[in-house]
Amino acid sequence: TQLLEQSPQFLSIQEGENLTVYCNSSSVFSSLQWYRQEPGEGPVLLVTVVTGGEVKKLKRLTFQFGDARKDSSLHITAAQPGDTGLYLCVPIQGAQKLVFGQGTRLTINP
Amino acid sequence: NAGVTQTPKFQVLKTGQSMTLQCAQDMNHNSMYWYRQDPGMGLRLIYYSASEGTTDKGEVPNGYNVSRLNKREFSLRLESAAPSQTSVYFCASSTGSSSGANVLTFGAGSRLTVL
Repeated sequence: TQLLEQSPQFLSIQEGENLTVYCNSSSVFSSLQWYRQEPGEGPVLLVTVVTGGEVKKLKRLTFQFGDARKDSSLHITAAQPGDTGLYLCVPIQGAQKLVFGQGTRLTINP
Repeated sequence: NAGVTQTPKFQVLKTGQSMTLQCAQDMNHNSMYWYRQDPGMGLRLIYYSASEGTTDKGEVPNGYNVSRLNKREFSLRLESAAPSQTSVYFCASSTGSSSGANVLTFGAGSRLTVL
């Protein structure tokens, strides 16, 4: 089982600031997904990254998959209170055992 | 579209009682999962079913049993509940593809309190 680490575990910033959160492992993944979970709800898929070095943008969110496909980052530009939530990454490694990282709990203060 | 439906939404048990959490999906997905989420924490995989007729242990299977009743339904049973099992339980399903197309769809969660 791969060891998947997300950092930081908690992040609280002011509206309008930029931030980056990370998902790191020593294992190589075939692809990786990012989910966001809002309070009281189940996680919802944000993006899937597949190719090493791939960059995907979703409005103010930019996702990058590391060249070696062992790590990924999520950058948010000009954060808004609506970005508040728990951000989770999960590697897709060919098997069906989908194990999440511990998540980054993000709070955007107005 | 219902997606993934979990019942009950809330349950309070006494230590030692048993109960079953039900999960059903209407998306013709092959794979189904049970996760637990403790307060302020991420998701931990309890059991999963890659396809109808198969079940496998996840990260934290102790104290739980599962049944993949058919392609639509995957239940989670607590035979003798303990306070440590107080948590929010999420059921999820996916196509089961080994590629990035294997997107998880989650239910709304079941909040369980064991006194």
